[in-house]
Formats: sequence, structure tokens, C-alpha cells
Amino acid sequence: AQTVTQSQPEMSVQEAETVTLSCTYDTSESDYYLFWYKQPPSRQMILVIRQEAYKQQNATENRFSVNFQKAAKSFSLKISDSQLGDAAMYFCAYRSAVDSNYQLIWGAGTKLIIKP
Amino acid sequence: NAGVTQTPKFRVLKTGQSMTLLCAQDMNHEYMYWYRQDPGMGLRLIHYSVGEGTTAKGEVPDGYNVSRLKKQNFLLGLESAAPSQTSVYFCASSRHGLAGGSGYLYEQFFGPGTRLTVL
Repeated sequence: AQTVTQSQPEMSVQEAETVTLSCTYDTSESDYYLFWYKQPPSRQMILVIRQEAYKQQNATENRFSVNFQKAAKSFSLKISDSQLGDAAMYFCAYRSAVDSNYQLIWGAGTKLIIKP
Repeated sequence: NAGVTQTPKFRVLKTGQSMTLLCAQDMNHEYMYWYRQDPGMGLRLIHYSVGEGTTAKGEVPDGYNVSRLKKQNFLLGLESAAPSQTSVYFCASSRHGLAGGSGYLYEQFFGPGTRLTVL
């Protein structure tokens, strides 16, 4: 079974600086998808960025980028120019490309604190 | 579009009581999911549905039942609530399969969650 591990329960960063959130996963599959979701205090789960395992190029979305290391099974999220609105729980999630239910396997989350 | 909505937003039950959580989506999605979120843990899948009239068990199905009589609605039932079911419940929906020829997977869209407390 696949597992997702986020080893940092909490991270803090000064506003306008860069922070990296870690995520590792375990799978025997070669084709899968990885996601970072953001959950602000409103509880709404928001997709931040996604990565297809077959793509070597790291995904980027504005200030958010990932460092995808397939061999190491690592998928870290880098947030550049941190803003107060980035304060939230961040969850890493894995999704098989094979399972027909497309179930998401979630990490435990990292709480990101932005210091003004 | 309202996206994914959940009713109610908050609920307090006594042990042994029953209730139904309603999830509705207006995006014509085939797939729908129910998750629970507990402190210090990621979301865990309770049940899911790949289409109208079909349901299947997820990772933690015990104590819950679901129904998908209409494509846009996915109901989660607790027949006899227990304190261990105190949690935040999220519904999600997604389209089936991959977008276009790029292998771009359709994402899951989430509702705002229901906070359930069982005393």
C-alpha cells in the first residue's frame, strides 16, 4: 500500500522569504500523480499544484514550485515570496494512475506560519 | 456554479443517534468521495462512488453507509453515532479519467466540510 509522509508538523517563515515543505512517499508503482493541497482556517481544501510522475520537469504555478525526485520518492513544495495569505495547513497527496477509484492518499500535513 | 456544497456545516449528536450528511455538486462529475479528517492525520477515504447508483468502500468504512441515487448527490449516513466518529467530514467530486491527451488528471474538488461532534 502507498504511504505519504510529511515530516514537518509545523514550519514558519518570514513574509517575503522562501520556504520549502517536505513530502516523501512510498509506492511500487511507476505511474502516479502527486498533489499539494492548501487548507486555510476556512477549512476549504484548495489544490495548489500537481505533478505527473512520468514528467521529469518540475511543475510550477506562480510562486509555487515543486522539486520532484522520483528515484528518491520525494516531492517538496517551495513557496517563494511568502505572503500572509499563504498561512495554512499544507497537505501532500498521492494518487495512483492504475487504481480505478482514483483515491487520494494523504500525508498528515504541515502547518505553515507566516511571520509579518 | 456553487461547486461542492455540504449540509449541515456543524452538528452535535449524542451517542447512538443517527444522521445523514448531504453532499451536492453541480459540475456533472462522475466520481464522488467522502473523507474524514482527524487532528494530526491526513484525510482518510470512507466511501466513494464512481457513478449514479454505485458505491464502494474506502479505507475506513465501518459505521458509515452511503447512497448515490442521483448523480449530483452523495449521502453519508451514520446509523448509530459513536464518539470515535467525531471528526470533520469532507465531500469531494471529480471527473473521470484524464484531461485531453496530456495525461493531466482531473482534480478533486472539495466541499467546505462538516464538523461533527458525538458526545
